[in-house]
Amino acid sequence: DAGVIQSPRHEVTEMGQEVTLRCKPISGHNSLFWYRQTMMRGLELLIYFNNNVPIDDSGMPEDRFSAKMPNASFSTLKIQPSEPRDSAVYFCASTGGLAGAFGEQFFGPGTRLTVL
Amino acid sequence: GNSVTQMEGPVTLSEEAFLTINCTYTATGYPSLFWYVQYPGEGLQLLLKATKADDKGSNKGFEATYRKETTSFHLEKGSVQVSDSAVYFCALAFMNTGFQKLVFGTGTRLLVSP
Repeated sequence: DAGVIQSPRHEVTEMGQEVTLRCKPISGHNSLFWYRQTMMRGLELLIYFNNNVPIDDSGMPEDRFSAKMPNASFSTLKIQPSEPRDSAVYFCASTGGLAGAFGEQFFGPGTRLTVL
Repeated sequence: GNSVTQMEGPVTLSEEAFLTINCTYTATGYPSLFWYVQYPGEGLQLLLKATKADDKGSNKGFEATYRKETTSFHLEKGSVQVSDSAVYFCALAFMNTGFQKLVFGTGTRLLVSP
């Protein structure tokens, strides 16, 4: 089975540009999470979707960040405008069924974002 | 609140040495506990899990026992290999606004030399 798919794997952009990160969860999973990983702050949960509906976005840093899940197989995280402090690795994770009931999450390979 | 504390790294070992990475937690209720591993340039992979007290999770020679009395979930392996070099994250899952939320420790980097 395919795991969580993220694209692009690497993104280099200039300050002020719009960045869009993409995620395809595991088929059949109904929960999707976006995380950010930095050396200083470790892993931070940004937003959580259940059945395509945003449930908790309290971790989204500021209005420059937005996330959507238009259907069960696709989600985006957008940063506009991007700033150098947004440089990080962004992970998408999904879960569902019995695994989800116990809190287990399945992570994608991540997108390494560098904002110059 | 809910939190996880794990030992600072890096942990540097020679091949075939015994490994322990300590993890303690603070939680309300009875969380599930996990160890995730992150190899260089990759995402987090579930290594093992335990969902109730006294459960032992095991995988690839790694083990951890859910100890409620000491609120611990220490990771152990009897004989490490170079290929085990990675960052290991302890995590707990707790209910928050109707969903299971994962809280991660800061990660412990393991370096195994031949």
